[in-house]
Amino acid sequence: DAGVTQSPTHLIKTRGQQVTLRCSPKSGHDTVSWYQQALGQGPQFIFQYYEEEERQRGNFPDRFSGHQFPNYSSELNVNALLLGDSALYLCASSSWSDTQYFGPGTRLTVL
Amino acid sequence: RKEVEQDPGPFNVPEGATVAFNCTYSNSASQSFFWYRQDCRKEPKLLMSVYSSGNEDGRFTAQLNRASQYISLLIRDSKLSDSATYLCVVRRYQTGANNLFFGTGTRLTVIP
Repeated sequence: DAGVTQSPTHLIKTRGQQVTLRCSPKSGHDTVSWYQQALGQGPQFIFQYYEEEERQRGNFPDRFSGHQFPNYSSELNVNALLLGDSALYLCASSSWSDTQYFGPGTRLTVL
Repeated sequence: RKEVEQDPGPFNVPEGATVAFNCTYSNSASQSFFWYRQDCRKEPKLLMSVYSSGNEDGRFTAQLNRASQYISLLIRDSKLSDSATYLCVVRRYQTGANNLFFGTGTRLTVIP
């Protein structure tokens, strides 16, 4: 049984560009949450998707947007990249209120 | 004020030592509590849930004090493989979603 998968594993972009990160949840999970983890910090909640809708959003600007597909996979899009967006982006899947399991993350570097 | 606060460490301890980590949370509406472990450049992995009655998993003991909004983790007989960052996490229901709030993590290095 595959766990949570994310792609790509690493990404380098320049300021002002746009990026799309992808996540496939663990089998049987219908809820996907996205987190940003800056170096030396704990993960910060970006948003959560359930039934293809954004259910809750953390303190992130509108440059951060997402989508959930009918197969429960999800995308995170970031527009107009800033240097400060460099971080590890983690996707976590769960069955609604159950334990969240994290994917290996996508390490984004903005130059 | 941060939702979850914990001492970032680092904690450097010899093999076999006992080490304790603490954290506090600010929102009394928090419902569930966890310790996650994160190895360098890897994703966080659930170590254990934390209950008010206290719970133990081998060498690891977790405790929750709801009145003080305080969570602890005790590691006995430390092993080299315990070296990692330990994240204190609370879960709270917020208008349609269950969110996790993480502390900054406490870095542990177990020395031979």
